[in-house]
This record gives sequence, C-alpha cells and structure tokens, in this order.
Amino acid sequence: NAGVTQTPKFRVLKTGQSMTLLCAQDMNHEYMYWYRQDPGMGLRLIHYSVGEGTTAKGEVPDGYNVSRLKKQNFLLGLESAAPSQTSVYFCASIAGGPGNEQFFGPGTRLTVL
Amino acid sequence: KNEVEQSPQNLTAQEGEFITINCSYSVGISALHWLQQHPGGGIVSLFMLSSGKKKHGRLIATINIQEKHSSLHITASHPRDSAVYICAVKDRGSTLGRLYFGRGTQLTVWP
Repeated sequence: NAGVTQTPKFRVLKTGQSMTLLCAQDMNHEYMYWYRQDPGMGLRLIHYSVGEGTTAKGEVPDGYNVSRLKKQNFLLGLESAAPSQTSVYFCASIAGGPGNEQFFGPGTRLTVL
Repeated sequence: KNEVEQSPQNLTAQEGEFITINCSYSVGISALHWLQQHPGGGIVSLFMLSSGKKKHGRLIATINIQEKHSSLHITASHPRDSAVYICAVKDRGSTLGRLYFGRGTQLTVWP
C-alpha cells in the first residue's frame, strides 16, 4: 500500500500559468479532500469529493477546479496561477465513513512568481 | 464554522520534560483529531477521539466534551518529538467528514 501520494512534490510557476496537482490513493477510500496550508494559518479546505464523479466547494475554492473521474484519483487544477496561490497543498482521504481517520499525502509545495 | 484554538503557539522544552498542548473549540463535535507534522511537511494522525482518553506510547490525548477542550501530553519528551502538533475537529452532525484545523503548536525539544 502506497497510501496517499501527491504529484509533483515541488513546482514553481509564473503568474498566469496553469497546472494540475494529482492525488492518488490505493485504499479504496470514498472521501477525498484538498487543503492548503499557509504560514500562521490552519489547513483550509479547498474542495472535496464524497465519491467518484462528485465534487464540492470547501472554504477557499476560488481560483481552483477539481475532478474525480476515477475513485482513486482527485485532481486539483489551477487555470491561471496567482502569487496568492503560493502555498503547500495537501490531499487527504478517509477510510470508510466520514467519521474515521484522515490519511494525508506528503504535500506539494507550490510557488507562484 | 468551528473555531479551533491551540495553545501555546510555540513551545520549547528540555529532553525529558512533560509537555502539554491545549486545544479548544467553539461548536459541538463528533470527533477530535491530533495530528503531527514533521519538518519536511508530512502529516500523520496521532489520535482520533470523541470522549475520554487515549494513550499510545509516551503520548496521551484527553478530551472534555462539556468544556469543549482537549489536551495532548507527551511524557519524557525527546528531540525526535520536535514537530508541529495540530488539533482538528469534525462538527457533530456533519456527514462530509470535513475537518476544521487549529493553527498548530511548534514544539522544539532540546537534548
């Protein structure tokens, strides 16, 4: 079991460029989440998915889009990157129902110049 | 939205000391998580609890539902315990599993 993996680990973008972050889990989890972590703030929810083909907005969704075409993958897209999106991005998934432990990916450090 | 407050923000200790990190929240919850984040960034779950107390090795987590408060204790602290400790809560009645996070407590343990 690889658990939750994220690709890439690091990325530098210029303002206006686009990119996709990939989160993959091999634990057959239904629920998946994208968070961002900024200095001095708690993790904040960007988007989440409660199953294949479903996505929903979290606390800070602006500037991001997501897709969950396959149960094991949750993609986070930035269509036109802005310096305010410089952050560390974490993906997480939940075993079984929503009341259970969350498993986190290793994070993606994104810098937008 | 659940407001989650942690204290202290930063904590420095000498090896062997007993450590306590506190977490309080504003709205009734169904579960509280304690997470650990090491330099390098990975986040791992230490505890998930909804009542009482849990123990794993030198780590103990307690929760008081009536007072909306939880504590994480580390006995006989060691430099390898140096990390950021994060408290997160799931609102009672939420079916989405989403968590609300505290800002974290940076713990540094010196040899």
